[in-house]
Amino acid sequence: GDSVTQMEGPVTLSEEAFLTINCTYTATGYPSLFWYVQYPGEGLQLLLKATKADDKGSNKGFEATYRKETTSFHLEKGSVQVSDSAVYFCALILSNAGGTSYGKLTFGQGTILTVHP
Amino acid sequence: DGGITQSPKYLFRKEGQNVTLSCEQNLNHDAMYWYRQDPGQGLRLIYYSQIVNDFQKGDIAEGYSVSREKKESFPLTVTSAQKNPTAFYLCASSTDRGTNYGYTFGSGTRLTVV
Repeated sequence: GDSVTQMEGPVTLSEEAFLTINCTYTATGYPSLFWYVQYPGEGLQLLLKATKADDKGSNKGFEATYRKETTSFHLEKGSVQVSDSAVYFCALILSNAGGTSYGKLTFGQGTILTVHP
Repeated sequence: DGGITQSPKYLFRKEGQNVTLSCEQNLNHDAMYWYRQDPGQGLRLIYYSQIVNDFQKGDIAEGYSVSREKKESFPLTVTSAQKNPTAFYLCASSTDRGTNYGYTFGSGTRLTVV
């Protein structure tokens, strides 16, 4: 079945450090890929997305590139801030109609990021 | 502003009680979803509905029930058959089945069994 695997957390960084959170996927069709962020006690917010191979999603200094050859969608930020401390989820939706998984968002297990001043 | 409203934010349930979590959206989205979040386990799909008066079981539907009588509303009932209901519950909605824009999430309801 379709699945998403994220790097084990938690990740702890100092302010202004470089961030990478790895995400790889397995899908039988053609997925759209997403990164969501969850701040403490809140719901999930869409951070960025990519709907086809080689697309780069970006928002708030975060970037991720849809790599079909390596089935990956790694999240990066050049300089993290304390306010980036949150849980980050990688997710996919199959975009080919007709399959039983069509339209169902599948999540990775989440990666906790803590940024210290 | 358009969005999804979940209520209540915190809910306490006694053993053997049914409780209903509310989810309302004014985004004109066709599809709505319920997820359960437990620490260290990510999000798991409980039920989803892609059109009014129709819904399907997700991966962990046992002990839960839903209805979709209106496009805007998708309430979740946690029944006494759910053996471990303490969790954070998230409602979401989408247009075009989420393939281009993903899902929009509510702010969640934290359910605790006392």
